[in-house]
Amino acid sequence: NAGVTQTPKFQVLKTGQSMTLQCAQDMNHEYMSWYRQDPGMGLRLIHYSVGAGITDQGEVPNGYNVSRSTTEDFPLRLLSAAPSQTSVYFCASMRDRFNSGYGYTFGSGTRLTVV
Amino acid sequence: AQSVAQPEDQVNVAEGNPLTVKCTYSVSGNPYLFWYVQYPNRGLQFLLKYITGDNLVKGSYGFEAEFNKSQTSFHLKKPSALVSDSALYFCAVRVSSGTYKYIFGTGTRLKVLA
Repeated sequence: NAGVTQTPKFQVLKTGQSMTLQCAQDMNHEYMSWYRQDPGMGLRLIHYSVGAGITDQGEVPNGYNVSRSTTEDFPLRLLSAAPSQTSVYFCASMRDRFNSGYGYTFGSGTRLTVV
Repeated sequence: AQSVAQPEDQVNVAEGNPLTVKCTYSVSGNPYLFWYVQYPNRGLQFLLKYITGDNLVKGSYGFEAEFNKSQTSFHLKKPSALVSDSALYFCAVRVSSGTYKYIFGTGTRLKVLA
């Protein structure tokens, strides 16, 4: 089924460990983004990409890196995990800015706990 | 400053009664407005959108939303609530034209009581 696929679904990390959250979409969407969801704070944008080779920071980028080597993939790297990064992470894609009226397609999320 | 507000953390409604989930926004220019729904342990799903045109837009699962430019509101409504409508609802607005950036509200938990 076409859509956004995120792996893993659950992860527990120790403080200081690094890891990569994977995101892939098969809809040939131009725009991809990473959000984190925390109680009472809604969704906050971490990083986004408007196409292969182009990334930019969102609202809360510190402690995270991204790259976009292909249209399909947009991994999120945690460099040195901290308890403040305990959250649910969503990857989302959109066809392009001029048809953004179609809105986002979201992945099912990764629940990350940092101990 | 650009913002989206969902003033109610939770809305309780009896099954069969009409429901309203509130959203107000503040952006420059013409807004692109969205409602998304999130069921437990799932990603957000698109419900409906307002871009231009008729102020009353219809979406999935019998939901509709009314765009009110003078009140800068985009309230989500449904004439008759179902227990299965219980979920977390997010309002979102595009920051400015020609951009991908959207701001999400903090979410409203809808609880429909049998």
